[in-house]
Amino acid sequence: KAGVTQTPRYLIKTRGQQVTLSCSPISGHRSVSWYQQTPGQGLQFLFEYFSETQRNKGNFPGRFSGRQFSNSRSEMNVSTLELGDSALYLCASRLSEYNEQFFGPGTRLTVL
Amino acid sequence: EDKVVQSPLSLVVHEGDTVTLNCSYEVTNFRSLLWYKQEKKAPTFLFMLTSSGIEKKSGRLSSILDKKELFSILNITATQTGDSAIYLCAVMNRDDKIIFGKGTRLHILP
Repeated sequence: KAGVTQTPRYLIKTRGQQVTLSCSPISGHRSVSWYQQTPGQGLQFLFEYFSETQRNKGNFPGRFSGRQFSNSRSEMNVSTLELGDSALYLCASRLSEYNEQFFGPGTRLTVL
Repeated sequence: EDKVVQSPLSLVVHEGDTVTLNCSYEVTNFRSLLWYKQEKKAPTFLFMLTSSGIEKKSGRLSSILDKKELFSILNITATQTGDSAIYLCAVMNRDDKIIFGKGTRLHILP
């Protein structure tokens, strides 16, 4: 069974631009969560989608948004990029709320 | 506010030593606690603990949960250089939120 995949793996953008990251969960997993990881703050929860509905949301500004498609693939969008948005963005999927999450390899975003 | 606190933040030991990593939490409506190992990129799943006092083992790694005192420990015996990683603890609540600690950075010296 293929694991969680994320594209692209690396991105370089400039301040003010917007970016879209993509995540394909493990086949059969309907829940997809997004995290931002930085050296100073650790792993911070952005949001979770389940069956195309946002189920939970972390404490991030409205510039961070996401969606999930009917095939469970998810996208995360960050608009008006700031330098502080430079981070590793991890996506994780799980079968249900009773199961552990499996992480993708991440997208490393650098904002110049 | 829900929080997960891991200690120590970093640890350096010699190969062959035994280490104990700690994770304490304050979470409403606790469901389960998870341990992950993160080397270069994505965290990989180690254990999920839902019941107090039942040790989970996988090779040289083991973990146990104390729901009364609200903490868990992760033990690694006979450490090897390949155990060098960041170990993340996370707690899942019944609202399906997962809260991560900041991790313990473990470095094993040969």
